[in-house]
Amino acid sequence: QQQVKQSPQSLIVQKGGIPIINCAYENTAFDYFPWYQQFPGKGPALLIAIRPDVSEKKEGRFTISFNKSAKQFSLHIMDSQPGDSATYFCAATSGSRLTFGEGTQLTVNP
Amino acid sequence: DAGVIQSPRHEVTEMGQEVTLRCKPISGHNSLFWYRQTMMRGLELLIYFNNNVPIDDSGMPEDRFSAKMPNASFSTLKIQPSEPRDSAVYFCASSLAGSNSPLHFGNGTRLTVT
Repeated sequence: QQQVKQSPQSLIVQKGGIPIINCAYENTAFDYFPWYQQFPGKGPALLIAIRPDVSEKKEGRFTISFNKSAKQFSLHIMDSQPGDSATYFCAATSGSRLTFGEGTQLTVNP
Repeated sequence: DAGVIQSPRHEVTEMGQEVTLRCKPISGHNSLFWYRQTMMRGLELLIYFNNNVPIDDSGMPEDRFSAKMPNASFSTLKIQPSEPRDSAVYFCASSLAGSNSPLHFGNGTRLTVT
């Protein structure tokens, strides 16, 4: 049962572009929304996270936008670099249980 | 801090064999999670433990799968008997208990069942 929908499945941008990854959820019990970044051969690693009482959070080049009424949130990567090429997962937590989106494979071309 | 340590990194086995995956969580973390990653189904939570006690095993696909956490520094995921459809990357993750605590993942075990 997929409770977090993520799109697009893959994304290709040029260096300096602003890729945007979108997620939507159904369960209103979710109370924490992290994003994870995964490189090939590695486990996912926490990138940035937001709580539903905040509409935006920025850390360096990464920004989460959160729309509680629409039950949607998105990740924006400013001034993207080839080193940002990875798979990105949105997630949502209820208690200790973390549910992941399907993932977006991002490629940033030089 | 060595992070979450998983072994082996790769496992190739024949259908019907028993497979045991191992995990050492980060010292001091009291929650441990086992995830499975496939292209078709993405990252799926199999089971998680709080203070060595299994809390939610609803993601364990079948009785062929079992997980144990005999102490705070070690956990195993066992598949017996293994089947080709079990081929996937299995991740272990640990965290401090609490809904906003980040998960720290190991580098996974890539399992291939032929």
